[in-house]
Amino acid sequence: GAGVSQSPSNKVTEKGKDVELRCDPISGHTALYWYRQRLGQGLEFLIYFQGNSAPDKSGLPSDRFSAERTGESVSTLTIQRTQQEDSAVYLCASSTPLASFHNEQFFGPGTRLTVL
Amino acid sequence: QQQVKQSPQSLIVQKGGISIINCAYENTAFDYFPWYQQFPGKGPALLIAIRPDVSEKKEGRFTISFNKSAKQFSLHIMDSQPGDSATYFCAASTGNQFYFGTGTSLTVIP
Repeated sequence: GAGVSQSPSNKVTEKGKDVELRCDPISGHTALYWYRQRLGQGLEFLIYFQGNSAPDKSGLPSDRFSAERTGESVSTLTIQRTQQEDSAVYLCASSTPLASFHNEQFFGPGTRLTVL
Repeated sequence: QQQVKQSPQSLIVQKGGISIINCAYENTAFDYFPWYQQFPGKGPALLIAIRPDVSEKKEGRFTISFNKSAKQFSLHIMDSQPGDSATYFCAASTGNQFYFGTGTSLTVIP
């Protein structure tokens, strides 16, 4: 079956440019998370969407970061005026409260962002 | 502030040996403790998880030991295999908030 997909798989950009990352969650999953994973580091929570509720943006590191999600479908993470410290793998995960595990998250393969 | 502290950062084990990874937390509101396995170029995948009302959970060669009073939990991989070589993350959750450890790179030597 289809899992969480993310695009692009790799993105190289120049400092100061804007980038847009896409996440397609598993169909029917109402919850969607974005994480940042720097090289050799753990996962850093960025933002959480649940259905039509207001998103939890508490993890966004600066106002250059924003994310949108239309209903329970695709989400886009936008980074404006990229900086070299934004270089990381950006992971998306989706889940459903109906899962047998408590909020089990299913992760996509990630987008590797490199800011030159 | 790191909500979940994980150790060791890296681990090398002989095939057939036991791999042990430890995590500690502070927030007593956490009510779900999953472990994720991540292979290079892939997203993390749920390996095993435990709730704080049990002290141990076993699934095949993988066991979580949970010590509520010490606020610690650990992953044990019995009979470690080269195919277990990956990065392992512990996490702690309350509601929809997840906090991840910094990861342990496990290498199982044939």
